[in-house]
Amino acid sequence: KQEVTQIPAALSVPEGENLVLNCSFTDSAIYNLQWFRQDPGKGLTSLLLIQSSQREQTSGRLNASLDKSSGRSTLYIAASQPGDSATYLCAAYGNKLVFGAGTILRVKS
Amino acid sequence: DTAVSQTPKYLVTQMGNDKSIKCEQNLGHDTMYWYKQDSKKFLKIMFSYNNKELIINETVPNRFSPKSPDKAHLNLHINSLELGDSAVYFCASTAARGGSEQFFGPGTRLTVL
Repeated sequence: KQEVTQIPAALSVPEGENLVLNCSFTDSAIYNLQWFRQDPGKGLTSLLLIQSSQREQTSGRLNASLDKSSGRSTLYIAASQPGDSATYLCAAYGNKLVFGAGTILRVKS
Repeated sequence: DTAVSQTPKYLVTQMGNDKSIKCEQNLGHDTMYWYKQDSKKFLKIMFSYNNKELIINETVPNRFSPKSPDKAHLNLHINSLELGDSAVYFCASTAARGGSEQFFGPGTRLTVL
């Protein structure tokens, strides 16, 4: 049974800092891993999708890496801004999408 | 132009009632899903349909019955609502099982009184 863990559960940083969010999964037999952002009371916005054959994906200030063998993914956010404040969710897809509990990020101005 | 839409956005109802949530995607995707996000914000899959065929049923009580009239729609009907059904329900879709990005709807917040 796939289990996805996200560390830290919450993070508060000053504006401009670079930061890393961690995601680990127990079953390495995945097709892909997806990072999402959820704003309070809103739906999920897909940020990055990494296929199992890929090592990383980049979109703007976001970079996500995937190491299947160790069961880990990281989301790197460069030069954080107050608008980045949200809950970040990672989800691993084997035969279904299994979510972590999320990291609540607060970027202070 | 909304990709995955859900109605209603909010639903408040009494215990024992029957209610439905509708989902539509205009992305031309073959696979659709229902997820439940509980009070602790944990998201978990409930059902998955591929081309109107049920492919995943995550041991959800049979009071929950998904219905897919066509591959662009996946509705969720809930009978005899219970307090524990209060949650946010998300619909999602993807182009193909396994390798594709999932796109989520805005969610339906269900409150059972």
